[in-house]
This record gives sequence, structure tokens and C-alpha cells, in this order.
Amino acid sequence: GAVVSQHPSWVICKSGTSVKIECRSLDFQATTMFWYRQFPKQSLMLMATSNEGSKATYEQGVEKDKFLINHASLTLSTLTVTSAHPEDSSFYICSASDRGRGESQPQHFGDGTRLSIL
Amino acid sequence: GQNIDQPTEMTATEGAIVQINCTYQTSGFNGLFWYQQHAGEAPTFLSYNVLDGLEEKGRFSSFLSRSKGYSYLLLKELQMKDSASYLCACMDSNYQLIWGAGTKLIIKP
Repeated sequence: GAVVSQHPSWVICKSGTSVKIECRSLDFQATTMFWYRQFPKQSLMLMATSNEGSKATYEQGVEKDKFLINHASLTLSTLTVTSAHPEDSSFYICSASDRGRGESQPQHFGDGTRLSIL
Repeated sequence: GQNIDQPTEMTATEGAIVQINCTYQTSGFNGLFWYQQHAGEAPTFLSYNVLDGLEEKGRFSSFLSRSKGYSYLLLKELQMKDSASYLCACMDSNYQLIWGAGTKLIIKP
């Protein structure tokens, strides 16, 4: 149980393009999902917490107009990187926990999306 | 402030045992998690401790001492495929996960 699916797994696109990444919880409902970014050989950095039916909570230093998050249903959150530039190239990973089983449930991660902006 | 400390890198030999330590200071405590992350992949959940003591799961065990703010992940009978980063994360009083920077474990034949 607690499977999280993320796609696409790899995106290569031109500078200025907007890119949408989807994160789905396949076998549980996730009122909260999390979006992380990880640069090579660096640690996970939480970008934002996605809340179903309300606005996302962004971490300090993360531009909410740049990284649009929509959590329209209990099983789907999307992250859109708007007008992406080469410095946005990174590994983006989503996670979710089955909080229907309790608040202390582990976060389960999608497989991540490798974004390369040319 | 909230802080998680773990060694940056460790090296061990195939077949041996290695212990990866993690110390933490958080605002409240609702459990400690260990994750494994292979290079280029997303983290996968290994263990969860909320009570003091040792939790064993096959070759991997995780220990917690709440009074000392300390945990370790013990890996036995090391295999080459165990080469990965191991992430320690604590859940604070708001059920937010605070992540350590990870320990890169290198296994040598």
C-alpha cells in the first residue's frame, strides 16, 4: 500500500517553457502532499506543502508565482514550473502520507522528475 | 532551532556491519524516520521509531533514545546494493518532517 506515482520521469525543454509535473496517490487519499527539489549531491529541500482544496504553503525563498501548485483532488497534486530557465534544472520529487491512518505515517515518494532546461 | 545531524559519508566492507548515527533537536517529537536513497532515485522508507528501543527489520535495524535525542540505523551483512545515502528525518510537534542532510554509505568489496 501507499503507492505514489509521479510523471513525467524526465523532461528536457527549452528555456521559457512551462512544465507540469503530476503526483498521484494510487491506493490512498492524500489531503497533504509535499514537493521537494534536490540538486546533484545535495540534500532534499522542501519547496512547498500542497493542501487539498486550499492554497499551498511555500517554504521561505520559494517563489509561489514561479512554482504553481494545485491540489484539486484527494489523489492528485500538480507542480507547474512556469517560464523555466536553466537554473530550474533539478530533480523534483513529490511525496504523500496516508494520514487517514494517523498523523505519524511515513511519507512515500514518487519516483521523481528530472527536469533539464536547455 | 531545529537540527538533525548525521555524518556526511561512511565507508564499509561488503559482508560487514555499519552503524549510521543521527542526533536531533526538534520542537516536540512525533517519531524518527530512516530513508534510503540511491543515486538518481527518490527516497524509499526504511523504518519508523517513536518509542525507545530497537526495531529490527531483516538486515536493517533502527534504534531510538528519546532522552538522548539519538538514533542509529544498523545495517548487517552489507551488500554492494546497500551503497546509497541514508536520510534521517524527525517529525516535530506539528507533524512536520525535519530532514537531515543524509549519510552517503560507500560499500567496498
